[in-house]
Amino acid sequence: AQKITQTQPGMFVQEKEAVTLDCTYDTSDPSYGLFWYKQPSSGEMIFLIYQGSYDQQNATEGRYSLNFQKARKSANLVISASQLGDSAMYFCAMRLMNRDDKIIFGKGTRLHILP
Amino acid sequence: DAGVTQSPTHLIKTRGQQVTLRCSPKSGHDTVSWYQQALGQGPQFIFQYYEEEERQRGNFPDRFSGHQFPNYSSELNVNALLLGDSALYLCASSSRQGGDEQYFGPGTRLTVT
Repeated sequence: AQKITQTQPGMFVQEKEAVTLDCTYDTSDPSYGLFWYKQPSSGEMIFLIYQGSYDQQNATEGRYSLNFQKARKSANLVISASQLGDSAMYFCAMRLMNRDDKIIFGKGTRLHILP
Repeated sequence: DAGVTQSPTHLIKTRGQQVTLRCSPKSGHDTVSWYQQALGQGPQFIFQYYEEEERQRGNFPDRFSGHQFPNYSSELNVNALLLGDSALYLCASSSRQGGDEQYFGPGTRLTVT
């Protein structure tokens, strides 16, 4: 069965520091996509970054980068130069490309950026 | 370009009642997925609609049903509400033709008393 594990329920980081949010996944399917979403207190899930299982390069989107280690089944999110507005819940998620479109989410990490 | 919209924003219902939630997908998207997010948890997949048919379903009872209209908008219906149905219900849209992202709406917060 497919599973996403986020082991950090909460994190406190000083503003302007870099932060790494951990994510490990489990699947035997060779074709999958990994996502990170940000959920502020308003509730909306905001797409941040995507990494395909066959992508050779780690994905980057502005201040967000995904540290993809396929052999370790790890897909950590790195936020550089954190800002107060980065305070939110962050979810790691996975979708199996060859079978279905449903997204499986982890339990999330609540990130607090301190001024 | 309008993103995914959902209505209503908040809803309070009594146990045993029925509720209908609505979702309009992002322009150009033809697939709608529904998720339930209980407090403190990640979203759980309910079902997905494409071409007006339910294509996939998560581990939810038959009390949860849905519909997709020719304009790709969708409804989620929940019958015989239970206290445990209280959650944030998220709608996500995507395109079968391309793009890997699912874009989420702001959600509907359902409270069952």
